Amino acid sequence: QVQLQESGPGLVKPSETLSLSCTVSGGSISSYYWNWIRQPPGKGLEWIGYIYYSGSTSYNASLKSRVTISLETSKNQFSLELTSVTAADTAVYYCARGQSGVAGVIWLVPWGQGTLVTVSS
Amino acid sequence: SYELTQPPSVSVSPGQTARITCFGDALPKKYAYWYQQKSGQAPVLVIYEDNKRPSGIPERFSASTSGTKATLTISGAQVEDEADYYCYSTDSSGNPLFGGGTKLTVL
Repeated sequence: QVQLQESGPGLVKPSETLSLSCTVSGGSISSYYWNWIRQPPGKGLEWIGYIYYSGSTSYNASLKSRVTISLETSKNQFSLELTSVTAADTAVYYCARGQSGVAGVIWLVPWGQGTLVTVSS
Repeated sequence: SYELTQPPSVSVSPGQTARITCFGDALPKKYAYWYQQKSGQAPVLVIYEDNKRPSGIPERFSASTSGTKATLTISGAQVEDEADYYCYSTDSSGNPLFGGGTKLTVL
């Protein structure tokens, strides 16, 4: 079965770039939509964006100016970059596989376990 | 902007029926999905396409949609069902969108 695992620094300084990777095992990345979602401590889930296996992307409008999601097919990985971070970007970051369902809803399963990224000097 | 609106909290006693609602203007046209998130864990899909249960999800979990309201029902809620529940669908651009989440307390 497909499993996803996030990796990257747990601490990022304000104004710097947050970079995370998600490794996909048990299946190929050459299909589906590959998503990033975050959850600030004690708050709800926020979808960040996805990259389709063809390379096309879609981002949350509130983060679009700062987000890049990319694919590394040879490594079966996809990555997130979030620039100019502030304390408000402190969150658990999840990666998840998305598949297109009926009526165009991209539903997310499975998810990685999540990784906490803290923005602090 | 488009939103999915959930109550912040719902509380029931063990064995009672818990109902969690989600309101969204596009729900008549777009399916609702439901995720369960227990403390410190990643979300798990419990309902897809309005009312279907993935394998491994107990039969006490069911859901329905009527107009702009989707409802997750847990019949005979158990202590282990205590979690945050998120409805999920798409926004006006077709992008993923989560509701604000509902904390279910079973005690």
